[in-house]
Amino acid sequence: NAGVTQTPKFRILKIGQSMTLQCTQDMNHNYMYWYRQDPGMGLKLIYYSVGAGITDKGEVPNGYNVSRSTTEDFPLRLELAAPSQTSVYFCASSYSPDRERHFGDGTRLSIL
Amino acid sequence: GQSLEQPSEVTAVEGAIVQMNCTYQTSGFYGLSWYQQHDGGAPTFLSYNALDGLEETGRFSSFLSRSDSYGYLLLQELQMKDSASYFCAVSNTDKLIFGTGTRLQVFP
Repeated sequence: NAGVTQTPKFRILKIGQSMTLQCTQDMNHNYMYWYRQDPGMGLKLIYYSVGAGITDKGEVPNGYNVSRSTTEDFPLRLELAAPSQTSVYFCASSYSPDRERHFGDGTRLSIL
Repeated sequence: GQSLEQPSEVTAVEGAIVQMNCTYQTSGFYGLSWYQQHDGGAPTFLSYNALDGLEETGRFSSFLSRSDSYGYLLLQELQMKDSASYFCAVSNTDKLIFGTGTRLQVFP
């Protein structure tokens, strides 16, 4: 049982480049989330989805986009990478909003 | 707006008991969760309180007072492996908003 899988695990980008962080889950969860975590800080919600075709902004959505075409996949897109987006990105899923979040192992992203 | 406050760091010795507090302000409240995160790892779920009172799971207990907008996580019989960051998080409609975390260091 894989749970939540994120790829890549590490990435270095140049300023202005774009990339997509992949997230897939095999638990048939409707709810999926993207968080970022800066060093020594808590997790900030970027975007979330309550089901296929439905997404909404979290606390820090600027500079990011998401899509949810299937229940399993919830990719996060960075269009014009900026140094302020250097962070660890976690994808998570849950059965319902009041249930535990299952987190992926994270993507460590550096923008230079 | 929403905010959660946690002490930044707590230290304790093996075998001791430690309490980590969390106070919150939020519009709309479903429950309070606790997550553990080891350095370099992903957060893992520990407990969830929707109603006032104490929930116990092995060495871990979590308490919630909705009227005081306050909760705490209690760890008993501390072990070295409990050294980690502990985050409280508030469920607010579809969102889960995290505090900044308490770093627990356990010494021999």
